[in-house]
Amino acid sequence: AQSVAQPEDQVNVAEGNPLTVKCTYSVSGNPYLFWYVQYPNRGLQFLLKYITGDNLVKGSYGFEAEFNKSQTSFHLKKPSALVSDSALYFCAVRDRTGSARQLTFGSGTQLTVLP
Amino acid sequence: EPEVTQTPSHQVTQMGQEVILRCVPISNHLYFYWYRQILGQKVEFLVSFYNNEISEKSEIFDDQFSVERPDGSNFTLKIRSTKLEDSAMYFCASRTEGTDTQYFGPGTRLTVL
Repeated sequence: AQSVAQPEDQVNVAEGNPLTVKCTYSVSGNPYLFWYVQYPNRGLQFLLKYITGDNLVKGSYGFEAEFNKSQTSFHLKKPSALVSDSALYFCAVRDRTGSARQLTFGSGTQLTVLP
Repeated sequence: EPEVTQTPSHQVTQMGQEVILRCVPISNHLYFYWYRQILGQKVEFLVSFYNNEISEKSEIFDDQFSVERPDGSNFTLKIRSTKLEDSAMYFCASRTEGTDTQYFGPGTRLTVL
């Protein structure tokens, strides 16, 4: 069965510093990986995805993620954090069996950017 | 920009009552999903729906749950006899043909008393 793991429940970073939110995956075959963000009382917003191609994927709001096949990781990064980036971040992998393409989510990482 | 919408934003019900959660997916999308998130836990897949039938469902989606697309715009999740453990945030999502990106609604918070 496929899965993703987010080893950190909480990440704190100072505004202006680079941020990394970690994600590792376990799938058979090539993974389809996603990052979503959830602001308080809001739904999940799509940030970026990796399907194939360049290992560095750029997404919304200045975020990017690096796919590393040897380390089975897909860490989310941003060069300079903003206070408004504070939110709950979810890594997800797409199911490769069946036609529905449902997502399996990690447990989430709460990012707090301190002013 | 088109969005997935969900109503109500918060539903409070008594145990054993039926609830219907409503979603309006993005208009040209063909694949629809329900997920739930129990407080403090991860987002879990419940069911997917395509071409007026269920395409996949998880173990969570038992006989108490049903989905329907009653018209060309709404997509509903019904829980026939709610239990305390059904209390969660329920998210609807949709995607179009040929893409893997799902777009999520803001969620309905269901509280079962």
